[in-house]
Amino acid sequence: AQTVTQSQPEMSVQEAETVTLSCTYDTSENNYYLFWYKQPPSRQMILVIRQEAYKQQNATENRFSVNFQKAAKSFSLKISDSQLGDTAMYFCAFIIDDKIIFGKGTRLHILP
Amino acid sequence: DAMVIQNPRYQVTQFGKPVTLSCSQTLNHNVMYWYQQKSSQAPKLLFHYYDKDFNNEADTPDNFQSRRPNTSFCFLDIRSPGLGDAAMYLCATSIGPRGGPQETQYFGPGTRLLVL
Repeated sequence: AQTVTQSQPEMSVQEAETVTLSCTYDTSENNYYLFWYKQPPSRQMILVIRQEAYKQQNATENRFSVNFQKAAKSFSLKISDSQLGDTAMYFCAFIIDDKIIFGKGTRLHILP
Repeated sequence: DAMVIQNPRYQVTQFGKPVTLSCSQTLNHNVMYWYQQKSSQAPKLLFHYYDKDFNNEADTPDNFQSRRPNTSFCFLDIRSPGLGDAAMYLCATSIGPRGGPQETQYFGPGTRLLVL
């Protein structure tokens, strides 16, 4: 079975701190894409970052970066210099055959 | 700007009264998806269209139907809404075909359905 596990249901950090959200997944496929989606309280799901499984280099988008460990099937998201606008639910996901497999999400609170 | 649009943002219906939610996209993507998302849960895929090819998830109730009259529009029909169908309904699109970054899904803002 293909699954995504986010072990942290909820986290809180102070503004400007760095925070890491963990994600592990399970698949027997070799080629796939991993994603972090952000869903703020307004509820629009927004793509944060994408990682191709065949690439060893970790993806980076401004303050967002991932630590992708393919052998360990781990895909954590690091948010540097966190901002109040980063408060949201974060979903880790991977896509196979046009279908997203979502984790249950981590609710992140950035505190002023 | 190219985007995924969902109307209305909030929909109220009565128990058992059919309701239709709409989604349109200006991205010209081949694949369109409908998800149901309940509070504090991950979205649950109901079905998707690859062009005109309809793909239903095995556990999607028969109460939920979909139509895609053209590339730009996709509709979710709930034939007899129950109280348990109250949720946020998300539409998403991707370029397709299978494989590659074309699979990245882009989401609309969602329609929150309330069943009275």
